[in-house]
Amino acid sequence: DAGITQSPRHKVTETGTPVTLRCHQTENHRYMYWYRQDPGHGLRLIHYSYGVKDTDKGEVSDGYSVSRSKTEDFLLTLESATSSQTSVYFCAIRGGEENGYTFGSGTRLTVV
Amino acid sequence: QKEVEQDPGPLSVPEGAIVSLNCTYSNSAFQYFMWYRQYSRKGPELLMYTYSSGNKEDGRFTAQVDKSSKYISLFIRDSQPSDSATYLCAMGVDDMRFGAGTRLTVKP
Repeated sequence: DAGITQSPRHKVTETGTPVTLRCHQTENHRYMYWYRQDPGHGLRLIHYSYGVKDTDKGEVSDGYSVSRSKTEDFLLTLESATSSQTSVYFCAIRGGEENGYTFGSGTRLTVV
Repeated sequence: QKEVEQDPGPLSVPEGAIVSLNCTYSNSAFQYFMWYRQYSRKGPELLMYTYSSGNKEDGRFTAQVDKSSKYISLFIRDSQPSDSATYLCAMGVDDMRFGAGTRLTVKP
């Protein structure tokens, strides 16, 4: 998908465990985003990054943290997974201001 | 009230029909408006992009933005079964807001 990959594609984890999702891009884009998608809510922004070590919170950031130590990698961590965090997680990248987002294929996370 | 409202459908039309998809929004600061198409179990892909008010056409697709009414539309002419997907409106730049998506089925 246009130089953006997410891993893993599927994950089942237990309540209370930490989980890290990875987003990797080969486009050298400055901006990277993590969204979650849930029925009835559409896509909601969790965190985004505008450069290495530069991140900011989105609409639904509670319970999530992110890190970006390299331009190409943006990690999303669920510090202590809860059932309400069962969702499909999408990473996205953006080039310039007049470009839309390019999304990865998503990670389907189930917290049991 | 959500910042971006989109009728979730589902919408079912016969092949060849004209499809109209719409969103309303409340934040008058939005300047960038987009439509994404999402096939089942895939990531959204950018379909149309419009800056400020006006129309934009790309093949069978036309996007319209009416900032005075805070209303955006996507028209699909001569719809095809391959157009069956969920269509998401989106607006903004860094903190992009998405509609919930309208599920469209085009029947042969």
